[in-house]
Amino acid sequence: DTAVSQTPKYLVTQMGNDKSIKCEQNLGHDTMYWYKQDSKKFLKIMFSYNNKELIINETVPNRFSPKSPDKAHLNLHINSLELGDSAVYFCASRALGETQYFGPGTRLLVL
Amino acid sequence: GEDVEQSLFLSVREGDSSVINCTYTDSSSTYLYWYKQEPGAGLQLLTYIFSNMDMKQDQRLTVLLNKKDKHLSLRIADTQTGDSAIYFCAERTGAGSYQLTFGKGTKLSVIP
Repeated sequence: DTAVSQTPKYLVTQMGNDKSIKCEQNLGHDTMYWYKQDSKKFLKIMFSYNNKELIINETVPNRFSPKSPDKAHLNLHINSLELGDSAVYFCASRALGETQYFGPGTRLLVL
Repeated sequence: GEDVEQSLFLSVREGDSSVINCTYTDSSSTYLYWYKQEPGAGLQLLTYIFSNMDMKQDQRLTVLLNKKDKHLSLRIADTQTGDSAIYFCAERTGAGSYQLTFGKGTKLSVIP
């Protein structure tokens, strides 16, 4: 069974569109995260979220917004996509005091 | 600020040992991690070490931590072609949410 899953695996879209990437974890973890990996493979935290607080990396444009319908899901919504948003987006989750487990990634290409 | 540095490339012959090095700056880091990313794949947690430890061994993997110098290394014994991947060092930072700050990754190429 997949612990942290993401959909879609690949996403190709036009500049200016709005898109969402979904993340689900079946581990019962308390905290979930979104990371962005750019073309040079550099990984940067975007958001961390539990049911008490949302922490946003100040470098993330406000076109990006996390949405959590329940504890097991943290979706990433992106408005007005730009070319520079092309990257691999990783979701991760963590139980209290434990390490983070990553999803397989969503490869986003903005044309 | 927080920064994690790694060399970008390492090439070794199959059967030799690989040593991937990492330096970090946040002296308050409590956990340090090694993740592996195979081509086109996600991040796989390989191992981690708590900051009060000097060494951790797990089968072919040995992690060494020099807290004084803020230096972390990952040694892979008897490196195989399947070990070819990008290896990320990460430190756990930030209270509460425990974010991970990653290095830029070391691409390990294993020559048959």
